Amino acid sequence: KQEVTQIPAALSVPEGENLVLNCSFTDSAIYNLQWFRQDPGKGLTSLLLIQSSQREQTSGRLNASLDKSSGRSTLYIAASQPGDSATYLCAGGVGSEKLVFGKGTKLTVNP
Amino acid sequence: DVKVTQSSRYLVKRTGEKVFLECVQDMDHENMFWYRQDPGLGLRLIYFSYDVKMKEKGDIPEGYSVSREKKERFSLILESASTNQTSMYLCASSLSLATSYEQYFGPGTRLTVT
Repeated sequence: KQEVTQIPAALSVPEGENLVLNCSFTDSAIYNLQWFRQDPGKGLTSLLLIQSSQREQTSGRLNASLDKSSGRSTLYIAASQPGDSATYLCAGGVGSEKLVFGKGTKLTVNP
Repeated sequence: DVKVTQSSRYLVKRTGEKVFLECVQDMDHENMFWYRQDPGLGLRLIYFSYDVKMKEKGDIPEGYSVSREKKERFSLILESASTNQTSMYLCASSLSLATSYEQYFGPGTRLTVT
């Protein structure tokens, strides 16, 4: 059974810092890996989707990578801003339509 | 842009009531999902549907049922609400296999059962 883990559960950084959020999964037969952002009390916003045949995806200041052999994905945020403060969730597609979610990393970017 | 809407942002119901949560997507997606999100437990899949009138149980279907009579609409039904169903409910949709299942979420419904 696929399990997805995100460490740390919370992270606080000063504005302008480059940072990396980590996601690990137990089953390398992952179909895709999706990163989401969630603001308090709100739904999830899709940030990046990496298909199993890809190694990374980029959108603006965000870059996500996928290493199936090591069971890891990372989300790199460049030049962090206070508006980046949110909870970031990763989720792995597991060979059907379903996603398995990690519990998220709560990011705080301090001005 | 894909838009997924949910009928209510906040809902307060009494124990034993029948509760309907509605979700509508406007992008002709085949797949639709209902999750609940609780502190410390993350998102858990309740039910999903891959076609009209088709449904499959997720990880925690007990106490819930679903209905999908039209492609764009997926309803979650709490037959007899209980306090342990107080939670944030999130609906999502995705296209078929051809697009690698990228899921798009609605804004969520915060349900409180008293």
